[in-house]
Amino acid sequence: GQNIDQPTEMTATEGAIVQINCTYQTSGFNGLFWYQQHAGEAPTFLSYNVLDGLEEKGRFSSFLSRSKGYSYLLLKELQMKDSASYLCAVRDKEESNYQLIWGAGTKLIIKP
Amino acid sequence: ETGVTQSPTHLIKTRGQQVTLRCSSQSGHNTVSWYQQALGQGPQFIFQYYREEENGRGNFPPRFSGLQFPNYSSELNVNALELDDSALYLCASSFGTGRSDTQYFGPGTRLTVL
Repeated sequence: GQNIDQPTEMTATEGAIVQINCTYQTSGFNGLFWYQQHAGEAPTFLSYNVLDGLEEKGRFSSFLSRSKGYSYLLLKELQMKDSASYLCAVRDKEESNYQLIWGAGTKLIIKP
Repeated sequence: ETGVTQSPTHLIKTRGQQVTLRCSSQSGHNTVSWYQQALGQGPQFIFQYYREEENGRGNFPPRFSGLQFPNYSSELNVNALELDDSALYLCASSFGTGRSDTQYFGPGTRLTVL
């Protein structure tokens, strides 16, 4: 079956770096997305990986290893506004018309 | 701001009632997906509409139904509401159903069933 695992919660310090991991088991992997979601708000798109390697976008980077079923989101120079949940979602071609399978999210708490 | 709007923002209903939630997609987008998100969980896929046709459905009962209109806006209807239907309902729009199409979310409708 399909499954996505992320840590439930992480804590980091303002100005530091944090890595949020995501592991997945799917029968037909076809891309991985990271979204940020502040409490009570909608998810906002951060990154998309479909090939192995690192995608860098400002303070945020996302890495994918398809052979290991593994991705991480790297956040640098943490700011208080980065306190949010980070959702990993995998597009699976076996799922109804390439729909997204979502992890439960990692709640990131930034401390001064 | 994604340009995706939803209404209403909040809604309180009682068990057994029916509800209609609305979504306007981002300009240029022809695909709308609906999700249910319980507190502390990731979004669960309900269904997707592409050019007014249902284009995939998640594991939700038939009392969850939807529509997409010629202007690509969409409705989610839920009949015979149950307490467990209390959640944040999100719609996301995208251009097409291609493998790399990114979904952009609206602000959501918070539904409470009493």
